[in-house]
Amino acid sequence: LAKTTQPISMDSYEGQEVNITCSHNNIATNDYITWYQQFPSQGPRFIIQGYKTKVTNEVASLFIPADRKSSTLSLPRVSLSDTAVYYCLVGDLMNYGGSQGNLIFGKGTKLSVKP
Amino acid sequence: DGGITQSPKYLFRKEGQNVTLSCEQNLNHDAMYWYRQDPGQGLRLIYYSQIVNDFQKGDIAEGYSVSREKKESFPLTVTSAQKNPTAFYLCASSSRASGNTIYFGEGSWLTVV
Repeated sequence: LAKTTQPISMDSYEGQEVNITCSHNNIATNDYITWYQQFPSQGPRFIIQGYKTKVTNEVASLFIPADRKSSTLSLPRVSLSDTAVYYCLVGDLMNYGGSQGNLIFGKGTKLSVKP
Repeated sequence: DGGITQSPKYLFRKEGQNVTLSCEQNLNHDAMYWYRQDPGQGLRLIYYSQIVNDFQKGDIAEGYSVSREKKESFPLTVTSAQKNPTAFYLCASSSRASGNTIYFGEGSWLTVV
């Protein structure tokens, strides 16, 4: 199973770029990397997903090195509203049915953005 | 609007009672899931279903039951056998057509009083 390791917490200031790294040393060939954002008492919200190299969308970038043993979520110019818990999820999305146990959510990284 | 609807948002249960949490999706997703989240913790899988009339146990299925009679609906029953049911419950769904990305509902808080 692809276990993930993230920092428990991070602090930042408004306007800064924040990079959150996730380690997944035993990632499998078919595994994708997905990041979610969660606010208190709300469901996790999909941010970005990738398999290798770099993926960018309107809210974030995801950097994945060639060995895929880690990934970095980059949030440009954070604001107070980006204060949340961020989860890195690694798993075989194409085999979701019989292997949902492979989709392990860790405790996430609590990002605190200060004025 | 397309999405996943969970109800109720807040629910109180007396000890010894069963309670059912509703989850409905209009995304035409084949797979649906139930997760449990305790304060300050990650998500743990309770049950999942790939297709109508079929479902599988996740990591912490004891004390819970589900049904999948319709594609759109995946209710979760928290039975009296669940010894510590107070938690935040999250329903989710996914489909191959959407890249198997898991999308979540807004969650339901269950408190045992």
